[in-house]
Amino acid sequence: GNSVTQMEGPVTLSEEAFLTINCTYTATGYPSLFWYVQYPGEGLQLLLKATKADDKGSNKGFEATYRKETTSFHLEKGSVQVSDSAVYFCALSEWGSQGNLIFGKGTKLSVKP
Amino acid sequence: GAGVSQTPSNKVTEKGKYVELRCDPISGHTALYWYRQSLGQGPEFLIYFQGTGAADDSGLPNDRFFAVRPEGSVSTLKIQRTERGDSAVYLCASSPGRDSSYNEQFFGPGTRLTVL
Repeated sequence: GNSVTQMEGPVTLSEEAFLTINCTYTATGYPSLFWYVQYPGEGLQLLLKATKADDKGSNKGFEATYRKETTSFHLEKGSVQVSDSAVYFCALSEWGSQGNLIFGKGTKLSVKP
Repeated sequence: GAGVSQTPSNKVTEKGKYVELRCDPISGHTALYWYRQSLGQGPEFLIYFQGTGAADDSGLPNDRFFAVRPEGSVSTLKIQRTERGDSAVYLCASSPGRDSSYNEQFFGPGTRLTVL
């Protein structure tokens, strides 16, 4: 069945460091891919998305590219800030489906000043 | 505009009791989802409504769990004979539904259920 695997945390970085959080997926067909973020005390928010191969999603300085050949959707940011401290979830939805999202376990990021 | 709201924000109950969790989706969203998130895990799908009907309830763990959406808006997740293992954060999400080109779901803040 469909699944998402993301790197385990926690990840601790200094401010302005480069961030990569790895995400790989297993799916039939052509899923849509998402990164959601959960800030402390808040609900899940969509960070970025990509709906087809080679699409790049971007938002708030974060980027992720849909790589069908490696079934990956790694999250990157060139210079993290303290305010980026949160839990990040990679997720997929089957193509053309309005059904459920399948989430990874989440990666907790802490950014120190 | 108003986002997805869930009530209560916290619920503490005793083993064996019945609980109801409520979700108010974004106005006009036809699709509604329930997920359960255990500590240190990602959300796990429970049930999905398109309008008033349950389009997919394959994630409900057993027959103690039931959800309704009688008027195609507010939904209630009902858990009978609660067990300690039901303790988790229950998340609700809504999306525009079939008119949307992709499945962006908007999440509520969750209800933290603790079964003693």
